[in-house]
Amino acid sequence: KAGVTQTPRYLIKTRGQQVTLSCSPISGHRSVSWYQQTPGQGLQFLFEYFSETQRNKGNFPGRFSGRQFSNSRSEMNVSTLELGDSALYLCASSLAGTPSGNTIYFGEGSWLTVV
Amino acid sequence: AQSVAQPEDQVNVAEGNPLTVKCTYSVSGNPYLFWYVQYPNRGLQFLLKYITGDNLVKGSYGFEAEFNKSQTSFHLKKPSALVSDSALYFCAVRDMGPNGNKLVFGAGTILRVKS
Repeated sequence: KAGVTQTPRYLIKTRGQQVTLSCSPISGHRSVSWYQQTPGQGLQFLFEYFSETQRNKGNFPGRFSGRQFSNSRSEMNVSTLELGDSALYLCASSLAGTPSGNTIYFGEGSWLTVV
Repeated sequence: AQSVAQPEDQVNVAEGNPLTVKCTYSVSGNPYLFWYVQYPNRGLQFLLKYITGDNLVKGSYGFEAEFNKSQTSFHLKKPSALVSDSALYFCAVRDMGPNGNKLVFGAGTILRVKS
């Protein structure tokens, strides 16, 4: 079955603009989470959604936001882009939202470059 | 807070030789541990996980990992390395808070397998 799908794969934005990234989880998966990967900070958790509710949030400014739709698809938005927001944004999905041993599967990521 | 450490930035091994990529963890309670691999310009691919049970966990592509509670380690191993195993490897622990869960990643280890 299809894996986690992220769009767009690559994008370039200008400082001050905003960006929306999209994620379609594996069919049947209801938990979607987002991570930021940069060379300096590594992989950092942004937020997790389950049943359209944000259940957990990482230590990022309010410019970073997200949402989940009734079909479990998710979007994340970054407003007022800064150069430091340039990163690989990874979406991940898993079966259950409650703490469990379920595997978390990742998409290919969206490469964001802010110029 | 849960954390993992990958003490080696890079591991070099000759093709056909056994490989080990090290990971140590610090958790309160029982750990849920994961290994992921990342190839250039790609997302994270799940390799294996330890939830409970047998301390030797077998995963994808011939990889296995040994959970050692007394040494708080979860080292990734493969009996015979392939050049195609060259990639970035991440160890992660599931941080299960009251409002959801997330993965906390190590800094990553670059594996280089030379022919």
